Amino acid sequence: QAQLQESGPGLVSPSETLSLTCTISGGSMSSYYWSWIRQAAGKEMEWIGRVYTTGSTNYNPSLRGRLNMSIDMSKNQFSLKLKSLTAADTAIYFCARERPYRGYDYLDSWGQGTLVIVSS
Amino acid sequence: DIQMTQSPSSLSASVGDRVTITCRASQTIDLDLNWYQHKSGEAPKFLMFAASGLQSGAPPRFTVSGSGTDFTLTITSLQLEDFATYFCQQTRRAPLTFGGGTKVEI
Repeated sequence: QAQLQESGPGLVSPSETLSLTCTISGGSMSSYYWSWIRQAAGKEMEWIGRVYTTGSTNYNPSLRGRLNMSIDMSKNQFSLKLKSLTAADTAIYFCARERPYRGYDYLDSWGQGTLVIVSS
Repeated sequence: DIQMTQSPSSLSASVGDRVTITCRASQTIDLDLNWYQHKSGEAPKFLMFAASGLQSGAPPRFTVSGSGTDFTLTITSLQLEDFATYFCQQTRRAPLTFGGGTKVEI
């Protein structure tokens, strides 16, 4: 398993852009999808999207238009930018590695999560 | 989107108890379902595939069953370290979606 660590601001103002970075240690970034997931208080986990090592992305349609993900393999990092924030974006944000295994995919490594509060 | 309905949302149990958690998908997902364990403040941890023949590293007291739309995670003899929140995830179709979680408490 790899170790993942999220970093970014804990407090962001409404209408601003959230920038988060996930740093990977203890493993290669190659051949995996790298995902962002969030969980608002009292709600289920919400898959935000993922980026592959080629830079190709898949986004949750509910967030498409506000979302941009990128990857920098030279730094062992991938990033999320979410614009036009509202209070509804307040959540714990997790990064995770998606691994294929015998025809199935699963999130085999996660970060601890970082709390992001959207408030003025 | 495929909706995942998990039940119960919480339960109280004791060490040694048998615990069963269910997850229902709004449409068939074959065996494309995963189970995770999450302790507050820690990174969530992958637990098991719904495809029970696949190795996952989970202790043998954790078992899974089901396919299609209805799935079950069973802990046959609850241990102290098993008190946590468990959630399911479907990987059949994007956007990937999760169950609401089941908090297993003492």
